[in-house]
Amino acid sequence: QSVLTQPPSASGTPGQRVTISCSGSRSNIGSNTVNWYQQLPGMAPKLLIYSNSQRPSGVPDRFSGSKSGTSASLAISGLQSEDEADYYCAAWDASLNSWVFGGGTKLTVL
Amino acid sequence: EVQLLESGGGLVQPGGSLRLSCAASGFTFSSYAMSWVRQAPGKGLEWVSAISGSSDHTYYIDSVKGRFTISRDNSKNTLYLQMNSLRGEDTATYYCAKYTSEGGGELGDYWGQGTLVSVSS
Repeated sequence: QSVLTQPPSASGTPGQRVTISCSGSRSNIGSNTVNWYQQLPGMAPKLLIYSNSQRPSGVPDRFSGSKSGTSASLAISGLQSEDEADYYCAAWDASLNSWVFGGGTKLTVL
Repeated sequence: EVQLLESGGGLVQPGGSLRLSCAASGFTFSSYAMSWVRQAPGKGLEWVSAISGSSDHTYYIDSVKGRFTISRDNSKNTLYLQMNSLRGEDTATYYCAKYTSEGGGELGDYWGQGTLVSVSS
């Protein structure tokens, strides 16, 4: 049981816009920023979004993040086949004194 | 170019020990906190431990406290994870990950390729 809650799966067709939610509590998302990671099949995770909505250099602007209260969202617009991957949210939890992850969302491009 | 290369994984019996290493290059190693994150087969990511750039501060997930020890040798640009009293639930691919500042910051702007630890009799 992950501390942060994500839907296990999401899907969309090429060109569509997809959103993935991440729900937490006051001790994690409610008081700290959220990161999103992309993990392509068989690969190491990659930082996709940091500080709720910032993109590292090289990440396309099709990817965007937002946060409100104790929830966060990742949006992917102009969906492409190469976006098929697992996506994880994460935040520092001040009560647990540790980083916590969501269980991951498997995105399928139909 | 930032590179992180883990090693030291393998098959170990329950109750056994392993030491993982992560060799870093392409950045000033001592200026950044580092972390270990694991992923059990077919499961999600789990943060395990972190250490500040100067080794002043260390952090652990509850399930490994007293069994795992994180350390670093800044002269060798290497991060370590000493794992003792290993259990079946420790079976996972272990990734080292870099933070964005000496004391922490954002987790995982760079990741290694991972090393697999299997705990089984």
